[in-house]
Amino acid sequence: GAGVSQSPSNKVTEKGKDVELRCDPISGHTALYWYRQSLGQGLEFLIYFQGNSAPDKSGLPSDRFSAERTGGSVSTLTIQRTQQEDSAVYLCASSTRGVRTSGRSDTQYFGPGTRLTVL
Amino acid sequence: QKEVEQNSGPLSVPEGAIASLNCTYSDRGSQSFFWYRQYSGKSPELIMFIYSNGDKEDGRFTAQLNKASQYVSLLIRDSQPSDSATYLCAQDIQGAQKLVFGQGTRLTINP
Repeated sequence: GAGVSQSPSNKVTEKGKDVELRCDPISGHTALYWYRQSLGQGLEFLIYFQGNSAPDKSGLPSDRFSAERTGGSVSTLTIQRTQQEDSAVYLCASSTRGVRTSGRSDTQYFGPGTRLTVL
Repeated sequence: QKEVEQNSGPLSVPEGAIASLNCTYSDRGSQSFFWYRQYSGKSPELIMFIYSNGDKEDGRFTAQLNKASQYVSLLIRDSQPSDSATYLCAQDIQGAQKLVFGQGTRLTINP
């Protein structure tokens, strides 16, 4: 079946502009995650959506970052007033249910990412 | 203190040998551990997950988890040049779904 898809694949913007990044999770997956990966850095958690629950926003680096998930499917990550340090690959992942009743986490499957360059 | 530690490498292994990748973690409450492979310019892809102490084998890959010593490792037998990639160790954080990733170990298999 289709995997996680993200758009655009590449985005170049000027400092101070707003950008929107889109993620389409695997059909049927109720959990959706955003991460970012800066050059030479590991993956950094940003935000997590699970069903209709309030999202876990604990990883968002500043209030310029926000995300929403409409209809429990597609998600949009918005970065306002972009800065050069926002340049990174933004990765979206989805999983079946998130955390099981056992406390174990479902596997997360990653999309191809959006490479954001802020000039 | 970083929650998940990996040797960034590079780790060079001759073709056909066993590659051993190691990861230590600090959160004793973690129950889920994952190994992802990431080729240059690509997104991470799942290699294995492990929840219980001991070994878990899948083809040429074996994941090992030791909760008492707080480490998880990945062994790759009969290494192939196509195994050359960065390997990311990840754990969940107790009480939360988010994964914390190590910095990744860059593995090179030499023909």
